[in-house]
Amino acid sequence: GNSVTQMEGPVTLSEEAFLTINCTYTATGYPSLFWYVQYPGEGLQLLLKATKADDKGSNKGFEATYRKETTSFHLEKGSVQVSDSAVYFCALGGRGFQKLVFGTGTRLLVSP
Amino acid sequence: GAGVSQSPRYKVAKRGQDVALRCDPISGHVSLFWYQQALGQGPEFLTYFQNEAQLDKSGLPSDRFFAERPEGSVSTLKIQRTQQEDSAVYLCASSTHRGVSTEAFFGQGTRLTVV
Repeated sequence: GNSVTQMEGPVTLSEEAFLTINCTYTATGYPSLFWYVQYPGEGLQLLLKATKADDKGSNKGFEATYRKETTSFHLEKGSVQVSDSAVYFCALGGRGFQKLVFGTGTRLLVSP
Repeated sequence: GAGVSQSPRYKVAKRGQDVALRCDPISGHVSLFWYQQALGQGPEFLTYFQNEAQLDKSGLPSDRFFAERPEGSVSTLKIQRTQQEDSAVYLCASSTHRGVSTEAFFGQGTRLTVV
């Protein structure tokens, strides 16, 4: 079946540190890959996406590259801010996948 | 409205009580999804509508769970005879796409606590 595995949190960083949150997937077919973010008290928001191998999604300083050879979609940011503190979810879906399949989420805590 | 709206935001139910959770999707969105998010977990798929047709209900955990979208817009998720294990956040999402899980917009969710 289709599944997503994320690194466990919480990830605790100081402001301006480099961020990596690992995500790997198992899928039948050719999924699109997504990162969603959930800020405290808010709903899930799409952060970035990539629809095919070697695509790079980017938004708000975050990046992730769709690596088919390693079935990975790791989220990175060069310099985190306190306002980036949230829970980040990796997900797969797209054409041929009727529903999104989510990982368990990784909580990021950024301190000043 | 501008986004997906869910109500109520919070619901406390006594065990055995029936509850109804409402979702107002973005106007014109064809696809509507319900997800269940337990504490500390990622969202788990419950059911999917394309307009008024419920095309996939494979994620509904038991026959106590029932969803409808009679006019292809507002949807209601009903849980009968609630149990403690039903405590979770219930998320609704809508999308313009048919049967393609991309660009889904999520509501803020309804947090259900069964006591």
